[in-house]
Amino acid sequence: AQSVTQLDSQVPVFEEAPVELRCNYSSSVSVYLFWYVQYPNQGLQLLLKYLSGSTLVKGINGFEAEFNKSQTSFHLRKPSVHISDTAEYFCAVSDSNAGNMLTFGGGTRLMVKP
Amino acid sequence: ETGVTQSPTHLIKTRGQQVTLRCSSQSGHNTVSWYQQALGQGPQFIFQYYREEENGRGNFPPRFSGLQFPNYSSELNVNALELDDSALYLCASSLGVKDTDTQYFGPGTRLTVL
Repeated sequence: AQSVTQLDSQVPVFEEAPVELRCNYSSSVSVYLFWYVQYPNQGLQLLLKYLSGSTLVKGINGFEAEFNKSQTSFHLRKPSVHISDTAEYFCAVSDSNAGNMLTFGGGTRLMVKP
Repeated sequence: ETGVTQSPTHLIKTRGQQVTLRCSSQSGHNTVSWYQQALGQGPQFIFQYYREEENGRGNFPPRFSGLQFPNYSSELNVNALELDDSALYLCASSLGVKDTDTQYFGPGTRLTVL
């Protein structure tokens, strides 16, 4: 069985500062990794995904993530955040045993302060 | 291209009642997955339908059931509602069930059970 741990439930940061949201996973088989963003009272929007190839993945809104197989991590980063980035961020994993069914972490609330 | 849509947006029911939630998949997608997101938590996989057949199921009791129609739209039915069923129910569609087929989410239906 696979699992996803998002180590920080909340991350406060000032506008224009860099941010890293941490995600670790466990799985016994090859995995595919995703970051989704959820704005208040909305569904989930795909930010970026790692399927194969380069371990550094670039997504929308200036976000990027790096897949680290040895550390079983997929941390999300942005060099300079905006107030509009305030939202809940979810890391998710699927693996070759589960098709494309997703297992999600508990989420990290990014709070950008002026 | 139309995205994933869900109806209704909000719903209030009382304990013991039955509810039906609806989802229209994105154009060209033949797979629909349903997730339950309790307040303050990450989404949890309920089940997935592929070409009108159930393709996988999470750890939810049989009173959670589903249906997929020839046009690939889908319903989630919950019988004998319990207070803990209060949550945001998310529908996601994908091109197929391969582990590389990305899921795209709808805005969700917020169910409140009193």
